[in-house]
Amino acid sequence: DIQMTQSPSSLSASVGDKVTITCQASQDITNYLNWYQHKPGKPPKLLIYDASNLQTGVPSRFHGSGSGTDFTFTINSLQPEDFATYFCHQYAILPFTFGPGTTVDIK
Amino acid sequence: QVHLQESGPGLVKPSETLSLTCTVSGGSISSFYWNWVRQPAGKGLEWIGRIYTSGSTSYNPSLESRVTMSIDTSKKQFSLSLTSVTAADTAVYFCARAPQSIFDHWGQGTLVTVSA
Repeated sequence: DIQMTQSPSSLSASVGDKVTITCQASQDITNYLNWYQHKPGKPPKLLIYDASNLQTGVPSRFHGSGSGTDFTFTINSLQPEDFATYFCHQYAILPFTFGPGTTVDIK
Repeated sequence: QVHLQESGPGLVKPSETLSLTCTVSGGSISSFYWNWVRQPAGKGLEWIGRIYTSGSTSYNPSLESRVTMSIDTSKKQFSLSLTSVTAADTAVYFCARAPQSIFDHWGQGTLVTVSA
């Protein structure tokens, strides 16, 4: 199975901050990587697909980049509604696997 | 707006079978992959498997011997069956839609506890 690691596991930030999360795959997944936001009691929400494509309706402050094994997810100018857990997901090879998640909370 | 809703018992006894259903509303069930994902408390997400509208399936090898998925397109439902459960199967179970393999819509999840 492809192992996905994320860092940091959690971070504290303030409204208006820029937040960066990284995701690393244990082998080359080209650009077959998605990013999701998850809030307690709510369905996970797709933000970025194919490493860098913004899902329809998602604000442009969310950004994804990378290819191969190393990927970056950025929130420019953090908003109050962005405090949540973010996780990456590879779909290059079955079984699909997920990163352990990064919790973004209020500083 | 596409909506997915998981349903099923919240408590299952050890060695018994966990059965969940996901009902799709607000959109077609055709021409998508329908997935099950779970998350034990304090742990990461684990993909259980998927079923296409044709009925073809792919399962996570770690669970394959115990998992069966089915789909009823007339009811716009798909189901998960996990046999011989143990406490390690206690988790929040999510269903998710995937055009290709991008999970674009998820249910909110349902907690299943395995306990006597």
